Amino acid sequence: ETGVTQTPRHLVMGMTNKKSLKCEQHLGHNAMYWYKQSAKKPLELMFVYNFKEQTENNSVPSRFSPECPNSSHLFLHLHTLQPEDSALYLCASSPRGSLDTQYFGPGTRLTVL
Amino acid sequence: QKEVEQDPGPLSVPEGAIVSLNCTYSNSAFQYFMWYRQYSRKGPELLMYTYSSGNKEDGRFTAQVDKSSKYISLFIRDSQPSDSATYLCAMSVTGGGNKLTFGTGTQLKVEL
Repeated sequence: ETGVTQTPRHLVMGMTNKKSLKCEQHLGHNAMYWYKQSAKKPLELMFVYNFKEQTENNSVPSRFSPECPNSSHLFLHLHTLQPEDSALYLCASSPRGSLDTQYFGPGTRLTVL
Repeated sequence: QKEVEQDPGPLSVPEGAIVSLNCTYSNSAFQYFMWYRQYSRKGPELLMYTYSSGNKEDGRFTAQVDKSSKYISLFIRDSQPSDSATYLCAMSVTGGGNKLTFGTGTQLKVEL
């Protein structure tokens, strides 16, 4: 297991539910990321946080709402999702200044019914 | 045209074979090139990292970058069943912040 943990590992939710994904990194990194991984598609970068500040929002629908209370924790709040949002959601972190060496968590497998 | 093209496979090889995995890209500004390995039900893990053109070797793995052809490769020698995974190429632009552009991944199965 890496130094990046994600909970829950699996989540099934209805379109009217509200849920949150949690990510925690134990590596002392300063940058954290949310990615979406769908079958047969490249990883899609969703959000980037540097030192708790959001520096990238890759045109993500507002039904996904990130929160980064400190450099070690990252949340993704979900509400009124669509079935096409079903995917593996990956969290990653990296040291600032080593932008390419991103360390990934195991992901949350999300199914929207 | 996708920025990064990668054959999704699946690619099946016998144990001990040499495996060649490839990506092509269209953005000539990419300078940093990475290969990630992703086992089933796990997140991607960084396997190889190269800057600009050239070769890099790490044990049974060799990464090659040919910027003139916009083509990168990962070679696995003496492949083992434990190498069975999905291999993702990724790349980024110098000074491009924290953005990596990934390929779709190639699923590799090494059979006994």
